[in-house]
Amino acid sequence: AQSVTQLDSHVSVSEGTPVLLRCNYSSSYSPSLFWYVQHPNKGLQLLLKYTSAATLVKGINGFEAEFKKSETSFHLTKPSAHMSDAAEYFCVVSDRTGANNLFFGTGTRLTVIP
Amino acid sequence: EAGVVQSPRYKIIEKKQPVAFWCNPISGHNTLYWYLQNLGQGPELLIRYENEEAVDDSQLPKDRFSAERLKGVDSTLKIQPAELGDSAVYLCASSFGNRETQYFGPGTRLLVL
Repeated sequence: AQSVTQLDSHVSVSEGTPVLLRCNYSSSYSPSLFWYVQHPNKGLQLLLKYTSAATLVKGINGFEAEFKKSETSFHLTKPSAHMSDAAEYFCVVSDRTGANNLFFGTGTRLTVIP
Repeated sequence: EAGVVQSPRYKIIEKKQPVAFWCNPISGHNTLYWYLQNLGQGPELLIRYENEEAVDDSQLPKDRFSAERLKGVDSTLKIQPAELGDSAVYLCASSFGNRETQYFGPGTRLLVL
């Protein structure tokens, strides 16, 4: 079975400081992992994805995530937070079968303090 | 290129009334998904279509929920009758075949009174 655990329901950072959103996964297979962002009243947008290529994945808007198999983690980071980064972030695992069903975490709300 | 389109964006109904949501996927995407997102939770899959065929509807509560994708493009999700617990955001997503990236619409926020 596939699942993800987002370790923090809410993270608050000051503008210009680093962002760390934590995610641990559980998968019976070699997983595909994703981070999606959801701004208020907007659709989920893909930030980045890992599909067994490079373990350090770079995404849009300066975000990146590192796949660590030994720690079953896929934490999302950004060196310097911007006000526009305030949103809900979801860590997602795919079962990589033909169905490619996605399993979402419960989300982490990022607040950026000016 | 237009993204996934959903309508309506918001819907308020009284319990026991029917309601329907519409989704138009990205052009060329043959796989379409409906998700349910409860407040404070991540989305959960309700049903997945490959073209016009519902290939995974195991999580769809079939006593009150139904869906269709008659021509393999647009899709409609219906609830009849609605219950208070159905208040949530209903998301539609689409993808191109077996490619894993799913593109999401803005969702329909349903409030059942």
